[in-house]
Amino acid sequence: GNSVTQMEGPVTLSEEAFLTINCTYTATGYPSLFWYVQYPGEGLQLLLKATKADDKGSNKGFEATYRKETTSFHLEKGSVQVSDSAVYFCALKRSNYQLIWGAGTKLIIKP
Amino acid sequence: DGGITQSPKYLFRKEGQNVTLSCEQNLNHDAMYWYRQDPGQGLRLIYYSQIVNDFQKGDIAEGYSVSREKKESFPLTVTSAQKNPTAFYLCASSGGGGRDTQYFGPGTRLTVL
Repeated sequence: GNSVTQMEGPVTLSEEAFLTINCTYTATGYPSLFWYVQYPGEGLQLLLKATKADDKGSNKGFEATYRKETTSFHLEKGSVQVSDSAVYFCALKRSNYQLIWGAGTKLIIKP
Repeated sequence: DGGITQSPKYLFRKEGQNVTLSCEQNLNHDAMYWYRQDPGQGLRLIYYSQIVNDFQKGDIAEGYSVSREKKESFPLTVTSAQKNPTAFYLCASSGGGGRDTQYFGPGTRLTVL
């Protein structure tokens, strides 16, 4: 069946470091892929998405490319800030509006 | 301001009591969802509703019930049959042109004592 696997956290980086959070998936066909972010004590917000293979989603300096060859959708940012500290979730669309979620990766940015 | 509201933010109940969590949206979305979030785990779908007066079980519906009498509202009842109800509960909605995108409320943290 469909599944999403994310790298375990926490990921701890210094401010201005380069960020990669790995996400791989198994799925039938080419479902839409998403990254959501959850700041402490809040609900989730959509960060970016890609709806077909080779698409690149981007928002707030974050990017992720839908790679069908490696079944991956890794999240990257060139220079992280303390305000990026949050939990990041990778997800893929199942049928009928349902999403399958990764376990989440906690990101800690130190000044 | 359009969005999703959940109330209360924190809720405490004694074991054996039913409790209802509120979720309201003014985004005019057709679909609404309830998720459960436990530490170190991804979100798990409890129930979802694509239209008024219709809803479907998600992956972990046992011990929960919902209703969808109005487009704006999708309350979740955690019954005494739910064996481990302490968790963070998130409501979401989707619809319109961006049907893939789910918009989330701020969540309710339920603690059963």
